[in-house]
Amino acid sequence: SAVISQKPSRDICQRGTSLTIQCQVDSQVTMMFWYRQQPGQSLTLIATANQGSEATYESGFVIDKFPISRPNLTFSTLTVSNMSPEDSSIYLCSVGGLSSSYNEQFFGPGTRLTVL
Amino acid sequence: DQQVKQNSPSLSVQEGRISILNCDYTNSMFDYFLWYKKYPAEGPTFLISISSIKDKNEDGRFTVFLNKSAKHLSLHIVPSQPGDSAVYFCAAARGSTLGRLYFGRGTQLTVWP
Repeated sequence: SAVISQKPSRDICQRGTSLTIQCQVDSQVTMMFWYRQQPGQSLTLIATANQGSEATYESGFVIDKFPISRPNLTFSTLTVSNMSPEDSSIYLCSVGGLSSSYNEQFFGPGTRLTVL
Repeated sequence: DQQVKQNSPSLSVQEGRISILNCDYTNSMFDYFLWYKKYPAEGPTFLISISSIKDKNEDGRFTVFLNKSAKHLSLHIVPSQPGDSAVYFCAAARGSTLGRLYFGRGTQLTVWP
């Protein structure tokens, strides 16, 4: 496995502002992902963060709203832009490719975002 | 469209007894299944997985059963302990879409003494 940290752990933001969430891994990893968990809902994949190229977004998520950077194999950021109360969620990064099965992912502690 | 479903939002079990958490899926292309456990204010922790070529995988107190014809899997915890109290997520993957996991909404397990 890997040690994954996220900053900030939580934040309360005003409508219309943006927040950048950082994800740091203690080792180089092939795959990094960003998920969202809205209250009472399942974890939903936002995008796959690709090192050195643009992120791959899932249906319903766009780069203008959730820009992602991945400058190297240990770090990624997710920005939640022009926030509204509907963006209030837990945002999680995860990494994969560490075990014999590429399907197993390991998650960071999450960032709890509240938008007023 | 929820492709992975956990129809029981909560389960309460006495310590020492068996906990059975259920999960159903709709996509027959899924070929790998995982269970995650999540404590409050922490990220999900990988627990156990199973490939579609198997129907059972065991790891200590945790056993996952897969019934492909019914598109159903279950997680058995025996014996249950108070420390097992957490939210359990079922997830599924397709080999053709590396890394893409589909999650259920989770089941809150409470193990009482």
